[in-house]
Amino acid sequence: ETGVTQSPTHLIKTRGQQVTLRCSSQSGHNTVSWYQQALGQGPQFIFQYYREEENGRGNFPPRFSGLQFPNYSSELNVNALELDDSALYLCASSLGGAVGEQYFGPGTRLTVT
Amino acid sequence: ELKVEQNPLFLSMQEGKNYTIYCNYSTTSDRLYWYRQDPGKSLESLFVLLSNGAVKQEGRLMASLDTKARLSTLHITAAVHDLSATYFCAVDASGTYKYIFGTGTRLKVLA
Repeated sequence: ETGVTQSPTHLIKTRGQQVTLRCSSQSGHNTVSWYQQALGQGPQFIFQYYREEENGRGNFPPRFSGLQFPNYSSELNVNALELDDSALYLCASSLGGAVGEQYFGPGTRLTVT
Repeated sequence: ELKVEQNPLFLSMQEGKNYTIYCNYSTTSDRLYWYRQDPGKSLESLFVLLSNGAVKQEGRLMASLDTKARLSTLHITAAVHDLSATYFCAVDASGTYKYIFGTGTRLKVLA
């Protein structure tokens, strides 16, 4: 059984640029959730995708967007990067549209300069 | 809006001592999760608590859930240095689509 994988591991971008982060869900899981974890804080829910549709969103602006593909992998896109977007981005996969136990990937560390 | 609070935020303890971390949440939920996070790493699942009165133990850690009091505890018995990490609780508020994480408890076990 393959666990949740994310790419890239680390990323450095400049303010105003755009970034795409990728996540492959655990085998058999059809739901992916994305979280942002700023340094010293707990993870904050960004949004969730279930069967290629957005299935709930946290308090993040529209410049945070996502996609889920037929194989249930997912992308997180952030436009017009700001310094405060620097964080660890975690994706988690689960089975089913409602929230159940989520399995977290290793994360992508994004630094915006 | 669901709020999840942990205390203490920081905990420095001697090896061999016992201590409890508390997780309070503000709305009805019967599913609560505990995670461990080492610096720069992702979240490692420790416990999944799915009903009132649930108690789970793994090694020196034991977690419990009281849904009526909206309280979960993570008890550490005879702490060892390897337990040094940040511990998060997360609540899955029924009918929503997201985990709400607590503020985290940074534990440092001194040799």
